[in-house]
Amino acid sequence: GAVVSQHPSRVICKSGTSVKIECRSLDFQATTMFWYRQFPKQSLMLMATSNEGSKATYEQGVEKDKFLINHASLTLSTLTVTSAHPEDSSFYICSARVAGDRELFFGEGSRLTVL
Amino acid sequence: AQSVTQLDSQVPVFEEAPVELRCNYSSSVSVYLFWYVQYPNQGLQLLLKYLSGSTLVKGINGFEAEFNKSQTSFHLRKPSVHISDTAEYFCAITYNQGGKLIFGQGTELSVKP
Repeated sequence: GAVVSQHPSRVICKSGTSVKIECRSLDFQATTMFWYRQFPKQSLMLMATSNEGSKATYEQGVEKDKFLINHASLTLSTLTVTSAHPEDSSFYICSARVAGDRELFFGEGSRLTVL
Repeated sequence: AQSVTQLDSQVPVFEEAPVELRCNYSSSVSVYLFWYVQYPNQGLQLLLKYLSGSTLVKGINGFEAEFNKSQTSFHLRKPSVHISDTAEYFCAITYNQGGKLIFGQGTELSVKP
């Protein structure tokens, strides 16, 4: 199957700093990428959908100015958590889809800890 | 609106026993259904999917699922589980091409020796 890579896999930062997480499709072009957030022992919550070259579509309740999503190319999307606070600590997972396909391929996830 | 309900949050089972993880969905339109597995601190891996055709779908690692449209269910089964099957399992649906996945709450499968 197609491979999606996330980096970093773990990041610890101080409160008030910004953190960038990258999501790359390694062997296919991803026209659409999705960002999910997962709290311990809970399901995945969709944060936003990003299409290459256009603005991301955020789910209700997700702060656009706090979670900046950029999908500048067909193989890279980034999530920047701005002015991070301890409550932003979570497991962030990206996924990517090939145009015309219904299957999503998931990254390995990035665990963010804000001190 | 579409939704997915996984009826069991935790399923403990002994090694080599059969297991069924239940999934029901609600949707006013046709859906496509998926089962994913998540090992600790990892992303999700696709186990199997139903897009169309035969309602019995076979996936990886010996898992299978049956789509039942009248009961709006897509239960996951394995006839004999291994310790290595211990993980979190998520049922998910999407209702259009290019649409987002809607996940159930997850079922923690714990296989004991």
